[in-house]
This record gives sequence, structure tokens and C-alpha cells, in this order.
Amino acid sequence: GAVVSQHPSWVICKSGTSVKIECRSLDFQATTMFWYRQFPKQSLMLMATSNEGSKATYEQGVEKDKFLINHASLTLSTLTVTSAHPEDSSFYICSAPGGASSGNTIYFGEGSWLTVV
Amino acid sequence: AQKVTQAQTEISVVEKEDVTLDCVYETRDTTYYLFWYKQPPSGELVFLIRRNSFDEQNEISGRYSWNFQKSTSSFNFTITASQVVDSAVYFCALLTGTASKLTFGTGTRLQVTL
Repeated sequence: GAVVSQHPSWVICKSGTSVKIECRSLDFQATTMFWYRQFPKQSLMLMATSNEGSKATYEQGVEKDKFLINHASLTLSTLTVTSAHPEDSSFYICSAPGGASSGNTIYFGEGSWLTVV
Repeated sequence: AQKVTQAQTEISVVEKEDVTLDCVYETRDTTYYLFWYKQPPSGELVFLIRRNSFDEQNEISGRYSWNFQKSTSSFNFTITASQVVDSAVYFCALLTGTASKLTFGTGTRLQVTL
């Protein structure tokens, strides 16, 4: 069945560096993908909507210059955390709608644990 | 605006007990979808169920059952004869409009002990 794959699952980076997380739809095309962030023991909060071929739409309070989103193809969206700081340490997870052929199922990636030291 | 409330932050039960996780939602849309996801410690979201606003039939899947009541805007989830493997955080979520972005509740952490 349709799968959304995220990479890396775990990443540790030094403060001030940038880290890229990939979200791929493996056997379906996704013109739209969504990025969520989850702090420990909290809920998932939508960060932004990734749109293929155009700019991402960010939720209120999310810094677009810090969280760069690129959706260059119909199967890949990337989230780059720039100049990462310890407070950016979180669980990041993406999702993609499977469309009518999937019964409008929403598929989630496995998530990526980011630790900034 | 959409909102999902899971009033129970944490629930502890002994194995084989039944447990119900509450979910109350708010939306002005007449067409919407409700979801339940399970999140084990590894973090991935395990899809459990999706229900659209026009289908109020309750559903049973093995030890899981869901009660959708539009009159009270609730979509409660019951686990019968709970098992230790059911221990996880459970999220209720709401999807409205043409976009596919979900509004999640705050989650309920379920701890099942022997």
C-alpha cells in the first residue's frame, strides 16, 4: 500500500548548524504534504503546508526563514531547520493525503527525532 | 476554528479492564472527518479509524470500538479487555474543508499494567 517515508529517523546536530529532513511518498504522488512538530508529551502541531512547485504555507508563529520547506517534486518534500538551537529539538513528522483513490486516507511518515546539542 | 479536546491526560488501568478515551470536537463545518491514532514510544502514528460526519454508525474492530455522537460532538474510543501492548498515547483528530491538514487533540496517555 501507499507509504510515506521520512529520513532520517534520528539526527543529532550541533547548535548553529542546519539539518534537512526528507519526506517521500513512495508509490503515489502528493502535490501537498504537511509538516508537524511535536514537543515531548505534547500534541502534534501543524507547522506548514508544503505545496509542490510553489511556496509553502506556514502556520502562525512558525518562522519561515528558519524552517525552510522545499517541495520540488510530486514525491518529495524537505524540511530544513536552519541555524538549529536546542529549543528546536523535537519530533518532526510529515503527512501526505493519498487522494480519492486511497479513500482520502492521510498517510504519515515515521517521524524524525531531532536533537540539537 | 476547529478544536479537539481530550480531557483525559493520562489513564492507568490494569490489564483486562475496559477503558474509554474521550474526544470532543468543535467545528462549524457540516462535512468533516474524525480520526483516532495510536502513538507508541517510537513515535510513529498508527492509524486506527476514520469516520466522516455523515456516518454516525458505531464501529467495532476486534477489541476496539468507537462511539460517534454528533449531538454531543463526541467521538469516544473504547478498548475492551486492555492489554499491556495497548500502552501508548492516543490522539483524536479532526479534518475539515478541502485541505488535508489535521487538528489534533492533546492526546491521552494510556498505561496498561499487569
